[in-house]
Amino acid sequence: EVQLVESGGGLVQPGGSLRLSCAASGFTFSGNVMNWVRQAPGKGLEWVSAISGLSGSSHYAASVRGRFTISRDNSMNTLSLEMSSLRVEDTAVYYCAKGAARGQLDAWGQGALVTVSA
Amino acid sequence: DIQMTQSPSTLSASVGDRVTITCRASQTLSGWLAWYQQKPGKAPKLLIYKASTLESGVPSRFSGSGSGTEFSLTISSLQPDDFATYYCHQYSLYPYTFGQGTKLEI
Repeated sequence: EVQLVESGGGLVQPGGSLRLSCAASGFTFSGNVMNWVRQAPGKGLEWVSAISGLSGSSHYAASVRGRFTISRDNSMNTLSLEMSSLRVEDTAVYYCAKGAARGQLDAWGQGALVTVSA
Repeated sequence: DIQMTQSPSTLSASVGDRVTITCRASQTLSGWLAWYQQKPGKAPKLLIYKASTLESGVPSRFSGSGSGTEFSLTISSLQPDDFATYYCHQYSLYPYTFGQGTKLEI
């Protein structure tokens, strides 16, 4: 059974930093693109970032490019999102999502809440 | 970036109804379009991918259609468990983008 478990969420001040992690199990982690998707309170889904399985090439939404860094450790089956220069508008539940063969997101974690507030 | 326009934003329906949600992309997706269902406080769940392929375990009352820039999700006979919010998602090009969502309510 595929499992994705996020951790590292919390309250941070504007301008601060936070690191999210996602522990993966139940599939060949290195063989899949992994994604972060966020959802602000009461709002819709926003794709944040993706990283390929082996090459580690990454992609970002314009709203986070230059502030967020996605990474993965295939030996530990772990996905990470390093967030810096956080803004109030970054407040959201952050989901880790597994990419299927072509890109649809076929498994999701339970989400980690990040609150950016003074 | 590819813009996804989903309609309607809210849909009121009853158990047993047939409903359709539409999604329009700002450029052709070559079929790389998925639909997700999300219930309050839960993660989204994949329903349909490649525009019309049903994800394993998803009831057959859900179906997807469309090509190019116009896509739709149809629920043939609404069940109580189907009242949720639905999102379309293009994965043709990065950055991936989602529609704004359709809340299906009783």
